[in-house]
Amino acid sequence: GQQLNQSPQSMFIQEGEDVSMNCTSSSIFNTWLWYKQDPGEGPVLLIALYKAGELTSNGRLTAQFGITRKDSFLNISASIPSDVGIYFCAGRPAQGGSEKLVFGKGTKLTVNP
Amino acid sequence: DAGITQSPRHKVTETGTPVTLRCHQTENHRYMYWYRQDPGHGLRLIHYSYGVKDTDKGEVSDGYSVSRSKTEDFLLTLESATSSQTSVYFCANQRSVGQPQHFGDGTRLSIL
Repeated sequence: GQQLNQSPQSMFIQEGEDVSMNCTSSSIFNTWLWYKQDPGEGPVLLIALYKAGELTSNGRLTAQFGITRKDSFLNISASIPSDVGIYFCAGRPAQGGSEKLVFGKGTKLTVNP
Repeated sequence: DAGITQSPRHKVTETGTPVTLRCHQTENHRYMYWYRQDPGHGLRLIHYSYGVKDTDKGEVSDGYSVSRSKTEDFLLTLESATSSQTSVYFCANQRSVGQPQHFGDGTRLSIL
C-alpha cells in the first residue's frame, strides 16, 4: 500500500529551539494532516491542509502543503517542555476517491528544559 | 473534540476468547474508523464505516469484524483472539467527505 516517509524518527532538542519535521510520498495527496500524540492518549489534530502551497499556523506551529502535493512540513518555534510527544503526519491520497488516510510512523520529540 | 468514548479502556483476556470493543460518538458523524497502533508500524486501518450498516476493510482486517447498526456506535470484534492482536486500538470519526479524522483515547488490549 501507499506509504508516507516521515523524518526524522526522533529529535532531542533544548527548550527554546525551533523544530522541523517532514513527510514525503511518491504519490499525490489531496489533504495533509498533522497530529500530536501524548502517552496514553489518542492523536490530536494540530493542523489540516487542503491546497498545494497552503501555509497554516496554529500558535507556535506552522505547517505547509508542498507545491508538488507529495510532501508536507511541520515547524515548531521556540519549543517548550509540553511540546514533548509523538507527531504524526497523515495524508489523503488523490487517487482512489477513498476517505482513508495514510499515516507516517511518527517523529518522537524530546525537549530538554 | 471528537466526542468519542472507547470502552473498555483496558482489557486483558486469553487466547481464543471473543472480544468486542466499543466506540461511541456523541456527534452524528458519517465516517468511523478502527485502527491498531503497534511499535514500528504506526497506525494501521482495520475497518471503517461510511454509514449505518456500510463498512469496508482496511489493510489489516484479517481476524476482525465490525458492525455499525446505529450512527453513534461502531463495534470491533475479535472472534477468537490471538496474541498477535495484542495492541492499542483507536477509534476515529470524520464528519463528512474530505474532513479530518478525530481520535478517541484508545483501548489497550492484552491477549495472553
